[in-house]
Amino acid sequence: AQTVTQSQPEMSVQEAETVTLSCTYDTSENNYYLFWYKQPPSRQMILVIRQEAYKQQNATENRFSVNFQKAAKSFSLKISDSQLGDTAMYFCAFMIGGGSNYKLTFGKGTLLTVNP
Amino acid sequence: GAVVSQHPSRVICKSGTSVKIECRSLDFQATTMFWYRQFPKQSLMLMATSNEGSKATYEQGVEKDKFLINHASLTLSTLTVTSAHPEDSSFYICSARDIRGGKVGTQYFGPGTRLLVL
Repeated sequence: AQTVTQSQPEMSVQEAETVTLSCTYDTSENNYYLFWYKQPPSRQMILVIRQEAYKQQNATENRFSVNFQKAAKSFSLKISDSQLGDTAMYFCAFMIGGGSNYKLTFGKGTLLTVNP
Repeated sequence: GAVVSQHPSRVICKSGTSVKIECRSLDFQATTMFWYRQFPKQSLMLMATSNEGSKATYEQGVEKDKFLINHASLTLSTLTVTSAHPEDSSFYICSARDIRGGKVGTQYFGPGTRLLVL
């Protein structure tokens, strides 16, 4: 079974600074996808970034980037120039590639607070 | 693109009644949709996978007769909570899987439905 571990239940950062959220996962599969989702107080789940395991290049989306270390099974999220609107719960998620169901396995989440 | 809507956003019902929640993919077709339940300050728990034109696949411990799922078209899935009880009160979230090129496997989520059973 696949597991996703987020070891930081809560984190805080000052506005305009950089913060890194940690995520590790465990799987015996070789073809899979990794995601970071954001859930602000509205509770709408928003896709932040997506990474295919077969790609060595780290995914980036504007101020968001990942450090994907496949051998270490690590998938951390870096948020640069933090903004107040980044305050949210962040979930790391894993999905096996292939198959008809593509079920996501979520970590327990990290609550990020951006302080003014 | 990739917008998923959910209706209603909030519902209050009496114990013993049934409640239907709709999930729609607005700008893409979704052969597979998923239903999650989320308790306060916890992660999402997958309840079932809904496939268009076939029976839903339920996760272990989820009562299929209580949580009825219908995926009648490529853009609509419904979850009906039958004979609701106070312990069914929760936040229910649907997601739809995007199969378009470059987005394989990505799930987009609806805004959620808060159910309160009195």
